[in-house]
Amino acid sequence: AQKITQTQPGMFVQEKEAVTLDCTYDTSDPSYGLFWYKQPSSGEMIFLIYQGSYDQQNATEGRYSLNFQKARKSANLVISASQLGDSAMYFCAMREVNTGTASKLTFGTGTRLQVTL
Amino acid sequence: KAGVTQTPRYLIKTRGQQVTLSCSPISGHRSVSWYQQTPGQGLQFLFEYFSETQRNKGNFPGRFSGRQFSNSRSEMNVSTLELGDSALYLCASSPGGGINEKLFFGSGTQLSVL
Repeated sequence: AQKITQTQPGMFVQEKEAVTLDCTYDTSDPSYGLFWYKQPSSGEMIFLIYQGSYDQQNATEGRYSLNFQKARKSANLVISASQLGDSAMYFCAMREVNTGTASKLTFGTGTRLQVTL
Repeated sequence: KAGVTQTPRYLIKTRGQQVTLSCSPISGHRSVSWYQQTPGQGLQFLFEYFSETQRNKGNFPGRFSGRQFSNSRSEMNVSTLELGDSALYLCASSPGGGINEKLFFGSGTQLSVL
């Protein structure tokens, strides 16, 4: 079974508009962390935002916010005021405590976001 | 503060050869992990090193190995290369690998096996 599911292979958004990228996850571990990364064509994975399973409030980092709905096991990324430079692949990832190492991330298949004028 | 540095950026090898990739973590970071990214399999965990010890390993054959030096720099080696090893290899570092720590990635090494 997929541990991280990103159902949107591609998304388009107009500049200055907000966009939501979907992510659902599956784990039986009560302690876990959820990450979003951006990967431009250069290949580097750029950290965007982190949400811990015990965090009471939704995480925010500048124009990025995470809509965390624990009961639904969803962790959607919201990008406000999209910019042309936001065009990239976006990956949702999960870290579980019981993997033996806290640095092991399980990634989704990604969503390609294209920002248009 | 310098980010995660991976060298070389691009590499072309032929089947049967071996290759070594290098990763320098962010200063002060002691955990280094490696990931393979391919169009077919996506991003997959290879292994993680902490204080020169391998802490965990993904489901890859023994041809994939790594090591970490006392300065936290890490190398990854792939022996007897196969066409399917063509991929982007990403290195990531974090201070100690803790559950709440952010993982920072390098730009990757694009390996092409001919």
